[in-house]
Amino acid sequence: DGGITQSPKYLFRKEGQNVTLSCEQNLNHDAMYWYRQDPGQGLRLIYYSQIVNDFQKGDIAEGYSVSREKKESFPLTVTSAQKNPTAFYLCASTAGTSVYNEQFFGPGTRLTVL
Amino acid sequence: RKEVEQDPGPFNVPEGATVAFNCTYSNSASQSFFWYRQDCRKEPKLLMSVYSSGNEDGRFTAQLNRASQYISLLIRDSKLSDSATYLCVVNEGEMQADKLIFGTGTRLQVFP
Repeated sequence: DGGITQSPKYLFRKEGQNVTLSCEQNLNHDAMYWYRQDPGQGLRLIYYSQIVNDFQKGDIAEGYSVSREKKESFPLTVTSAQKNPTAFYLCASTAGTSVYNEQFFGPGTRLTVL
Repeated sequence: RKEVEQDPGPFNVPEGATVAFNCTYSNSASQSFFWYRQDCRKEPKLLMSVYSSGNEDGRFTAQLNRASQYISLLIRDSKLSDSATYLCVVNEGEMQADKLIFGTGTRLQVFP
């Protein structure tokens, strides 16, 4: 079955630690995205990548970093510089970058900073 | 003013009821529109794309009003399984999907 996987499902981190969230897709999609969802707010774009070895900042990139070394993988690192990292993180992909493309989401990772 | 606004609800309706959600958007140049469904603690999933002529998929009807800058979702004959949060999503860009703006969602609770 084609789809997007994210791991881990739940993640706990101590303040001051970096942590990397995994996102893998086997849909052969070119574009991948990272969002953050907080209670009472819409999804906010962190980073996106339209092609391997290239990525752009979204609306809230500060304190995050990404890489896109392979088409199917787009890991997100939450660094200690991110002031409020506790949130639900969603990875998504689209077949292309047309405005009409549907976004397919992974099941998400819940990050809690202790 | 928020770019995409939705009534957060919750909308509590009995099974079999008809319920409608509205969503307003601020950018008149927006090109594409979607309704996503999100179950509690799960990822969003596409429910419908919204076309300018309006479109229907079974019990669900979506409409777009560009003049007034709103889109709507109508659910007929509500089922218990329709209980979820419905996200209005607007793409403000002309070519790139990086301009997707998500609403905060409208929560629907269908009771027996």
